[in-house]
Amino acid sequence: GAGVSQSPSNKVTEKGKDVELRCDPISGHTALYWYRQRLGQGLEFLIYFQGNSAPDKSGLPSDRFSAERTGESVSTLTIQRTQQEDSAVYLCASSLDLVNTEAFFGQGTRLTVV
Amino acid sequence: GESVGLHLPTLSVQEGDNSIINCAYSNSASDYFIWYKQESGKGPQFIIDIRSNMDKRQGQRVTVLLNKTVKHLSLQIAATQPGDSAVYFCAENIGYNKLIFGAGTRLAVHP
Repeated sequence: GAGVSQSPSNKVTEKGKDVELRCDPISGHTALYWYRQRLGQGLEFLIYFQGNSAPDKSGLPSDRFSAERTGESVSTLTIQRTQQEDSAVYLCASSLDLVNTEAFFGQGTRLTVV
Repeated sequence: GESVGLHLPTLSVQEGDNSIINCAYSNSASDYFIWYKQESGKGPQFIIDIRSNMDKRQGQRVTVLLNKTVKHLSLQIAATQPGDSAVYFCAENIGYNKLIFGAGTRLAVHP
């Protein structure tokens, strides 16, 4: 596609439920990243994928968070047993590779846990 | 831990004036820095980057300055326009595009 696409754009869920967020990167981009942005704050690195290499999961805040990516295409971020502190905007970005470092961001998914 | 922070949370300027947004970083080993602009409801947009072997880099109406001695980064916007109103983040690439972001500075441009 023309840009990074994320869905849904907004998600309201009840505490304790699981949610799945989707990211479609720019076609041909081998690197994909997930960030979390709390209200009024900067972006917190969560995880990135590069081709078939093992993903860097060092930013995932707990074992309730997981992410998958199928080849060099779609990625899903799953949050299990959501908590109120999970409320944030979850941003996905992709770049051509890990050397060409301009990362293009999607519009984000605003998650609200009630 | 490592962090990138900003001196000013908000900056108000008159249209046509120059804007300067500052950023301090703490990871002395990092060699690549990026400025992003984020408009309301949108994802961050790349503005300009600079590598540590440079002190200055210019783009269209924007200039980034890097002072490695004091670990300071700044973004200068010339002739600020209403469309420049946004939150600006500095980010530090600590490797493999793992970006550490600061809290951001909101730029408000007044007519």
